[in-house]
Amino acid sequence: GAGVSQTPSNKVTEKGKYVELRCDPISGHTALYWYRQSLGQGPEFLIYFQGTGAADDSGLPNDRFFAVRPEGSVSTLKIQRTERGDSAVYLCASSDYRDREANEQFFGPGTRLTVL
Amino acid sequence: SQKIEQNSEALNIQEGKTATLTCNYTNYSPAYLQWYRQDPGRGPVFLLLIRENEKEKRKERLKVTFDTTLKQSLFHITASQPADSATYLCALEAGTASKLTFGTGTRLQVTL
Repeated sequence: GAGVSQTPSNKVTEKGKYVELRCDPISGHTALYWYRQSLGQGPEFLIYFQGTGAADDSGLPNDRFFAVRPEGSVSTLKIQRTERGDSAVYLCASSDYRDREANEQFFGPGTRLTVL
Repeated sequence: SQKIEQNSEALNIQEGKTATLTCNYTNYSPAYLQWYRQDPGRGPVFLLLIRENEKEKRKERLKVTFDTTLKQSLFHITASQPADSATYLCALEAGTASKLTFGTGTRLQVTL
């Protein structure tokens, strides 16, 4: 019954390091989305999963970014060789895509990533 | 390229008045338009969704209009309260992949 959860809530890393961000969607939601939000901006789409497969990864900025959802539930966003420009809040959202009348997305609180 | 514009400046209004926020878009043909509320340090929260063939939708003190000719949506909060103070985001959805394209948001401040 809980909402979307994301861990960690904050992540500080050094330039060049690898990080993993985790998202636990609402149980039963088939669709899962990752967005990135910089200060003063709206969320920017990264990738969308329908079940286990990535239905749209057109928002991933480059090949340092990768996301998986192996069992159709929890998803992990992976960033290799982090750069200072990757610093942002990474938001995860889920929705019950089958209910097309109201495709509202339920967002988690986000992970604030800081690359030093 | 696709562009979604919301007032970047904060909107300050007095309690009890109607707040009107604007969302304009170009080079886009959305099937749906959604409005979200975002408080500091939190993820966006869904408020309303309107379809391309709908002109207006209401929910309690909220009203959304959608003009696909003008490529504009207006979001109204009537009888505004200090608790309505937040950033309001409009988001467009093409209708196929369901990804949302967000505007930059407008910060609303309701004062006593």
